[in-house]
Amino acid sequence: AQRVTQPEKLLSVFKGAPVELKCNYSYSGSPELFWYVQYSRQRLQLLLRHISRESIKGFTADLNKGETSFHLKKPFAQEEDSAMYYCALRDRGSTLGRLYFGRGTQLTVWP
Amino acid sequence: DTEVTQTPKHLVMGMTNKKSLKCEQHMGHRAMYWYKQKAKKPPELMFVYSYEKLSINESVPSRFSPECPNSSLLNLHLHALQPEDSALYLCASSRRVDTEAFFGQGTRLTVV
Repeated sequence: AQRVTQPEKLLSVFKGAPVELKCNYSYSGSPELFWYVQYSRQRLQLLLRHISRESIKGFTADLNKGETSFHLKKPFAQEEDSAMYYCALRDRGSTLGRLYFGRGTQLTVWP
Repeated sequence: DTEVTQTPKHLVMGMTNKKSLKCEQHMGHRAMYWYKQKAKKPPELMFVYSYEKLSINESVPSRFSPECPNSSLLNLHLHALQPEDSALYLCASSRRVDTEAFFGQGTRLTVV
C-alpha cells in the first residue's frame, strides 16, 4: 500500500515566487514525517522533520493530521533550491527504522 | 567525521562476477541501512542492521548478501547479479533506528 504520495513529479517556479511541494500520507500507526532533499550530484540529506518544527533554508512544513498532509513551503524560492525533494514517513513506534519514501518532486527554480 | 562514506562510487560488473560494496561511518551510529534506488524512483529499503544484528531483510534476493562486521562498517556482497539490479545503492546510518538517518553518496552499479 502506498504510504507517501507526492502528486507532482515536476514543479517549476520563478525565483522569488512562493513554492509548495505537496505530500500526503496514509498510515494507520503513529507516523513521523520528513522531507529529504537531493541536490544535483550530492547525497540525499535531511531537510526537515515534523517533530522539530524548525525552518531550514527558509522551508517549513506542518503536519496536518486531519488532511494527512505534510506539504513543504517556502515563500520566496531561490535558484539554489532546485533539487529533488522526497517526502518520507517512518513509524514512530517502530524499532525497525524503516523509511518509506514518496516518488519525489523535481523542483526547478528559474532565474 | 560526520559523513557516511561509500566505496566504490561506480562499479561495473558482469553477471558472473562477485563484488562487494562498502560503507563506513565513524559517528558512533548503531543502525545502518542499505537502500536501492532505480533511476527516477525513490529509495527502497533493502536491509537494516541495528547493533550489528540484521533486523530487516525486505525479501531481497539471496544474490545480495549484507554483512556488518563491526559498528562502523557495512558491506553488501554481490554475486550473480542480473542487469535489472543496476541501480544506485545507498548506505545510511543513524544513532539508533528512531533517529535521523544520514546517507552516503551511493555506489552506482551497472550489471552487464
